[in-house]
Amino acid sequence: GAVVSQHPSRVICKSGTSVKIECRSLDFQATTMFWYRQFPKKSLMLMATSNEGSKATYEQGVEKDKFLINHASLTLSTLTVTSAHPEDSSFYICSATREGFRGDTQYFGPGTRLTVL
Amino acid sequence: GEDVEQSLFLSVREGDSSVINCTYTDSSSTYLYWYKQEPGAGLQLLTYIFSNMDMKQDQRLTVLLNKKDKHLSLRIADTQTGDSAIYFCAESKNYGQNFVFGPGTRLSVLP
Repeated sequence: GAVVSQHPSRVICKSGTSVKIECRSLDFQATTMFWYRQFPKKSLMLMATSNEGSKATYEQGVEKDKFLINHASLTLSTLTVTSAHPEDSSFYICSATREGFRGDTQYFGPGTRLTVL
Repeated sequence: GEDVEQSLFLSVREGDSSVINCTYTDSSSTYLYWYKQEPGAGLQLLTYIFSNMDMKQDQRLTVLLNKKDKHLSLRIADTQTGDSAIYFCAESKNYGQNFVFGPGTRLSVLP
């Protein structure tokens, strides 16, 4: 089946630094990718929709200048957490959409655990 | 590695019950989840079940877990058109971490 990878799987950084997380669709082209954040004891929260070749669409309450999304190609989207703070520590998951004649299918990455010290 | 499988499509008539099935391979899975994704929207957590439970009911939703067979199901009673969505099964060892998602089941509710 289709595979979506994320890199790194785990990252620890100091406050004030920036961290880039990559999401790749390994065997299909994804015009749309989604970025989610997992809060403790809560659902995955949709942060933004990333469309290849255009600006990302951010959900209400998500700072676009803090969470930079770049969908550089049909197989790669990156999320950069700028000037990270401890409250940004979380689990970030991406998903990629594969279009099919019977509808779109979502494939999820394994997630990236970010810890900001 | 771990794997979660679901049938990709399910069609039911309005008012009938829907049963969405899921199988997983990791016997050490501790939490099993059902998420709903409506068109153009993100995932919404519907319910989850801890692996030492057999059943969990919440209004129209009933989750059944057969740990021996590694089989999870979601039953939606009195299915409505608003239930049309994609339903994802997922598992993890720790709550809210390191999810493994299934491919999703697209539920179509016919009038």
